[in-house]
Amino acid sequence: QVQLVQSGAEVREPGASVKVSCKASGYTFTGFYLYWVRLAPGQGLEWMGWINPHSGDTDSAQKFLGRVTMTRDTSITTAYMELNSLTSDDTAVYYCARRPSTVVAFDYWGQGTLVAVSS
Amino acid sequence: QSALTQPRSVSGSPGQSVTISCTGSSSDVGGYNYVSWYQQHPGKAPKLLIYDVFKRPSGVPDRFSGSKSGNTASLTISGLQAEDEADYYCCSFAGSHTPFGGGTRLTVL
Repeated sequence: QVQLVQSGAEVREPGASVKVSCKASGYTFTGFYLYWVRLAPGQGLEWMGWINPHSGDTDSAQKFLGRVTMTRDTSITTAYMELNSLTSDDTAVYYCARRPSTVVAFDYWGQGTLVAVSS
Repeated sequence: QSALTQPRSVSGSPGQSVTISCTGSSSDVGGYNYVSWYQQHPGKAPKLLIYDVFKRPSGVPDRFSGSKSGNTASLTISGLQAEDEADYYCCSFAGSHTPFGGGTRLTVL
């Protein structure tokens, strides 16, 4: 069965970086885009960006340009999202989500990774 | 790159129907038939309910239906059940980005 398993919760100080992983299984890793979406306290879901695991191509929301890096390691079917220059506004649950190539929707989601930014 | 606009909350009694709206622009909701809807219970990951405006993934009850008119998409939940109490988000393809709505809290009275 399709599974996206994310790394555990992280606590960081302002100005630091965090790297979240998303281990995919149960499907062809390179056949589906992976998106990163976050949910901050009291806010709605927010699209951050995506990676094409086949080519390594990425794109990110304008808000995160220059601050987010998305990578993948096809040998271990894992995608990564690194966010730097963290502020308290980045405190959120971060999700990876799979997008089929023929559908503009997210059919499977990781369990979420809480990133708390606090001094 | 603004988020799509949803009502903050809606409510209904068991057995009733509720509709959640999602308003965007001609650059997103109105320009593409790629609206999707997600249900999220507290502490859980979002779950896909509707894609391509009105299509349901297998396993999603037909109590959930989607539609679109102009720049506004809608999710209708009929025969409300207690377990439908959750947050609901719309999402639309918009060319270079993929905005979500701000979310709607559904309360089952």
